[in-house]
Amino acid sequence: DGGITQSPKYLFRKEGQNVTLSCEQNLNHDAMYWYRQDPGQGLRLIYYSQIVNDFQKGDIAEGYSVSREKKESFPLTVTSAQKNPTAFYLCASRLLAGGYNEQFFGPGTRLTVL
Amino acid sequence: RKEVEQDPGPFNVPEGATVAFNCTYSNSASQSFFWYRQDCRKEPKLLMSVYSSGNEDGRFTAQLNRASQYISLLIRDSKLSDSATYLCVVTTMDSSYKLIFGSGTRLLVRP
Repeated sequence: DGGITQSPKYLFRKEGQNVTLSCEQNLNHDAMYWYRQDPGQGLRLIYYSQIVNDFQKGDIAEGYSVSREKKESFPLTVTSAQKNPTAFYLCASRLLAGGYNEQFFGPGTRLTVL
Repeated sequence: RKEVEQDPGPFNVPEGATVAFNCTYSNSASQSFFWYRQDCRKEPKLLMSVYSSGNEDGRFTAQLNRASQYISLLIRDSKLSDSATYLCVVTTMDSSYKLIFGSGTRLLVRP
């Protein structure tokens, strides 16, 4: 089946630890995105990448890092510098060719800092 | 001011009712407009795009007023399964097509 997978579904972290959230897609999409959602709020863009080995900061990149070594993969690291990391993290991907195309979302990872 | 503003609700309506959601956006240069649906603790899914001429998909009708920077979604004959949060979304002008989300309007359809 084609789609976007995120793992783990739930993640618990102690304060001061870095954690990496996985995002993989087999849709052959060019662009990939990471969003964060807090309760009662809309999604906010953390980082995005339109091509392998290149990525740009979104609106709330502080305390996060990403890599795009493969077209299929866009992992997000939540570092200890992120002051309030507890949130729902959503990865999305999109085909770039042919004008606007829908962004498809993965099922998300819920991160809780203990 | 938020870039995309929505009434958070909740809208609590009986089955069969017609309900309308509104959304305003601040950037007059916004390129594209969408309504996404998000079920509790799930990822958002595209409900429909919004075109300047207005568009309909079954029981759902979307309207865009660029002059007033206003987007609407009308749901007719509400079903229990329509209960969800509806997110108003606009895209940026540049080629990154970043999505800018409203906080969402929660709809509860009761029997």
